[in-house]
Amino acid sequence: GNSVTQMEGPVTLSEEAFLTINCTYTATGYPSLFWYVQYPGEGLQLLLKATKADDKGSNKGFEATYRKETTSFHLEKGSVQVSDSAVYFCALSSSNDYKLSFGAGTTVTVRA
Amino acid sequence: DTAVSQTPKYLVTQMGNDKSIKCEQNLGHDTMYWYKQDSKKFLKIMFSYNNKELIINETVPNRFSPKSPDKAHLNLHINSLELGDSAVYFCASTSSPSSYNEQFFGPGTRLTVL
Repeated sequence: GNSVTQMEGPVTLSEEAFLTINCTYTATGYPSLFWYVQYPGEGLQLLLKATKADDKGSNKGFEATYRKETTSFHLEKGSVQVSDSAVYFCALSSSNDYKLSFGAGTTVTVRA
Repeated sequence: DTAVSQTPKYLVTQMGNDKSIKCEQNLGHDTMYWYKQDSKKFLKIMFSYNNKELIINETVPNRFSPKSPDKAHLNLHINSLELGDSAVYFCASTSSPSSYNEQFFGPGTRLTVL
């Protein structure tokens, strides 16, 4: 079956620090990969996605590259802001079903 | 305009009661979902409907019954509530059931069973 493993939090950083959240996956078929973000008290929203190997998704200064050889989709941002404090979820959707399988979520807190 | 809305936002109730959560999307999407998020933030899909037809039914107790009166609405009815049902329930929608499509999430309904 499909599964996503992401690094456990919580992660606490200072403003302008570099952020990496590791994500690896197991899937049948050719999955699409996503990062969703959940700000406090809100629902999830798509941060970025990649639908095939070697694609790079990017948005709001965040980037992630679909690495088929290492089955990974690590999220990075070069300089975080306090407003990036949120829970980040790695997820996949494979070509043979219609559902998102989520990682456990990583809570990120950025201090001024 | 709210794309995916849920009511109520908070629901506090006693064990054994029956309650419903409503979801509406104004995006013109064909596919809608219910997810459960537990206290550790873990998200798990429960159900999905496409054009009012059930397409995903994960292993959930049969006390949970989804109903889709039309493409824009997906409601969740829960019978005989238990303590373990306490969680945040998210509705989501997408244009069609595809592995490529973004899902749009509602703000969540925090259910507390006492």
